[in-house]
Amino acid sequence: AQSVAQPEDQVNVAEGNPLTVKCTYSVSGNPYLFWYVQYPNRGLQFLLKYITGDNLVKGSYGFEAEFNKSQTSFHLKKPSALVSDSALYFCAVRDSNFNKFYFGSGTKLNVKP
Amino acid sequence: SQTIHQWPATLVQPVGSPLSLECTVEGTSNPNLYWYRQAAGRGLQLLFYSVGIGQISSEVPQNLSASRPQDRQFILSSKKLLLSDSGFYLCAWSDGLAVSTDTQYFGPGTRLTVL
Repeated sequence: AQSVAQPEDQVNVAEGNPLTVKCTYSVSGNPYLFWYVQYPNRGLQFLLKYITGDNLVKGSYGFEAEFNKSQTSFHLKKPSALVSDSALYFCAVRDSNFNKFYFGSGTKLNVKP
Repeated sequence: SQTIHQWPATLVQPVGSPLSLECTVEGTSNPNLYWYRQAAGRGLQLLFYSVGIGQISSEVPQNLSASRPQDRQFILSSKKLLLSDSGFYLCAWSDGLAVSTDTQYFGPGTRLTVL
């Protein structure tokens, strides 16, 4: 079965510092991995995805994610955090055989001025 | 471009009352459609998904049901609401054409409070 794990409930970072939000995955077959962001009382917004190819994926709002097959990880990164990046972040994996997506439990990112 | 709508945005209902939440997608055809519930602002629970008109897969047995009367319309219903049905309901779509291109896109959500 496919699954993703986000080991941190919350990540705190100072504005201007680099940020990392962690995600590990477990899949049978090729991994199709996604990151989403959710602001309060809003739907999830797609940030980026890894399908194949370059292990470093660039997405919206300056975010990027690094796919690491040996560590089965897909960590979300940004070189310089903004206060406006404060939100809930979800990692997800798409089942390669069925039309379903599996989401992690979410990580709350707090960026302090 | 594609857009996804949900309504109502917020809803307060008494226990035992019926429920109908609607989701529609524009700008695409034959999308895969999904209903999720998010409790306490955290994890997403997949409730139903549909790959075509009249085709509904249920993920969690409960007092909710879903229907897809038209290609781009997905409805979440209940005959009698429970307190535990309170939460943030999210509809999503994906094109389902190929694994390599399939991405889920979410609607704005409906906040349901059952009193």
